[in-house]
Formats: sequence, C-alpha cells, structure tokens
Amino acid sequence: DTAVSQTPKYLVTQMGNDKSIKCEQNLGHDTMYWYKQDSKKFLKIMFSYNNKELIINETVPNRFSPKSPDKAHLNLHINSLELGDSAVYFCASSPGREGAEAFFGQGTRLTVV
Amino acid sequence: AQSVTQPDIHITVSEGASLELRCNYSYGATPYLFWYVQSPGQGLQLLLKYFSGDTLVQGIKGFEAEFKRSQSSFNLRKPSVHWSDAAEYFCAVAPGGFQKLVFGTGTRLLVSP
Repeated sequence: DTAVSQTPKYLVTQMGNDKSIKCEQNLGHDTMYWYKQDSKKFLKIMFSYNNKELIINETVPNRFSPKSPDKAHLNLHINSLELGDSAVYFCASSPGREGAEAFFGQGTRLTVV
Repeated sequence: AQSVTQPDIHITVSEGASLELRCNYSYGATPYLFWYVQSPGQGLQLLLKYFSGDTLVQGIKGFEAEFKRSQSSFNLRKPSVHWSDAAEYFCAVAPGGFQKLVFGTGTRLLVSP
C-alpha cells in the first residue's frame, strides 16, 4: 500500500483554468505538506498543516488554496492557472514531532499551456 | 536566513568508485539534517538523518554522512557507487522542528560504466 498517494500523477491544463490535486496518507501522521519543485529541481515548502490546521503558508499566491478535510487528506486547489504554475507538486506527511522525517508522495507534474 | 548549499550541481563518478556529496547549512543552532534521494520521475526517499549524538550516521543503500559542526557541513558518502545510485540528491534541514524542510538545490549524480 502506498503511504502517501497523490492524484493525478500528470495534469495538463490551459491557462485560466481551475484544478485540484488530491493527497492522502495512510501512515496516521498528524502533519501534511505541499512542496513545489520547479524546472530547476528546486524544492520549496508551500503549506504545512498540523491536525488539519494551517501552520505554514510560505508566501504562496492566494490562487492556491489548500484544504484538509481530515488528518489523512490534504488537497490543493489552484485557481486561474498561470504558465508559471507549471511544476511538480509533492505532498508529504510526517508524525509532527521534532526531527521526524517527512514521507513524500510520487508528485504531480502540472503543465499549464 | 536559514539556507542549505549544495555546491556541486552535478557529479560524475565511475561505477565502483567512492562518492562524496557536499552540503553546507546556515543556521543559528544545529538543525535537524537530512539527505533525500530522488530517482527520475519519483518522489523523495530518505537516505539518512542526523539529530544529535554520533556525528557519523548510517543510512540505507550503503550511504553514510558525517556532521561537522565547525564547518556547518553534512556531507554524504558512499564507498562504492552502483549504477542504480544515479539520481538527484537533496540535503535538507528542519530549522523549526517539523513544520517544514529547507532544501538545497540538489546534486545530480551520474554513474559511468
């Protein structure tokens, strides 16, 4: 069973559209994250949620809206997609204690055309 | 500001040769330190982590890393590289405990026959 699963794996869409990426973890973790990996492979935190509460919003445009319906799910909705949003988006989870490792999903490659 | 530097964008190593990937961090205290590996089209997998104690840590797949406080470094090593080790390697710190990871820019490892 996949520990952290994201859907879809690939997403191609036109500028201006709205899209969502779903993430689920079956590890019983309290903390979930969204990271963005750009075309140069640079990884940067976007959001962190702990027990369904937002704890980090790393200056992400408000077109990006995460939603955590429960501790096992963290979805990412993106409005009015722009070319610059093209990237690989990774969901991750961790037990939410100091020094705990994060477990990553396989990533969603978003291409905006 | 917290930062992680991986000075080598890519490294080519012959199969069977030894490997060292460099990582330096900038942080006021000793943060939690991690090395992750990303194979093409995959998510990130944890190789090893350092919190405290013994400064030489062992990880999976025969990797080890040494923490040197005086140099603010956490270099990754492997005595004999296998072709399957070709991937992107990321050093990361968790400056605030578990809220987020700050990643270096990554080092791409190429393995030649």
